[in-house]
Amino acid sequence: QVQLVESGGGLVKPGGSLRLSCAASGFTLSDYFMSWIRQTPGKGLEWISYITTSGTMYYADSVKGRFTMSRDNAKNSLYLQMNSLRAEDTAVYYCAREPTGFDYWGQGTQVTVSA
Amino acid sequence: DIVMTQSPDSLAVSLGERATINCKSSQTVLYSSSNKNYLAWYQQKPGQPPKLLISWASTRESGVPDRFSGSGSGTDFTLTISSLQAEDVAVYYCQQYYTTPRTFGGGTKVEIK
Repeated sequence: QVQLVESGGGLVKPGGSLRLSCAASGFTLSDYFMSWIRQTPGKGLEWISYITTSGTMYYADSVKGRFTMSRDNAKNSLYLQMNSLRAEDTAVYYCAREPTGFDYWGQGTQVTVSA
Repeated sequence: DIVMTQSPDSLAVSLGERATINCKSSQTVLYSSSNKNYLAWYQQKPGQPPKLLISWASTRESGVPDRFSGSGSGTDFTLTISSLQAEDVAVYYCQQYYTTPRTFGGGTKVEIK
């Protein structure tokens, strides 16, 4: 069955870096658009990036230049390298599969940016 | 960016009664060439990720009870729960996948009256 499992979240100081991972099983990750989406109590759900089947990445303006998404086809995994982290990046981060709408989501990983 | 505006922010409905949630997009999400609305609805319960209920504005996902229905076209959409059950207490979101960035509505919290 389709499963997405995120890892790599934690507590980091402002200006720090973190790398999130999303391990996929039950399907071939590169056959789908895959996104990172974050959620905060205050701002709700915010799409932040996706990678197309051909490997092109798109980013929200709020993270452009700071976050980098990548994919390892051999490991069937997705990554999100987050640099220059700010307090407003504090959120639960999800990876999600997108055929039409986001049909499968991971359980999420908490990222907290605080001194 | 397409702004998705949901209303109301919250609603309380008696068990067995109808719940109606509205979603308005700041520009059309209807692709004229395919005549499809690139609009999805999600349900989120506490401590869980969102669950896709409806895609293409009105197509229920496999396993979603038929008391959930979506309607609308262009810029105005509605999610209807025809007979509210206790397990439907959740926050509901609309989302457009017509263009990048993907954008979500602010959510509607549904409770039991």
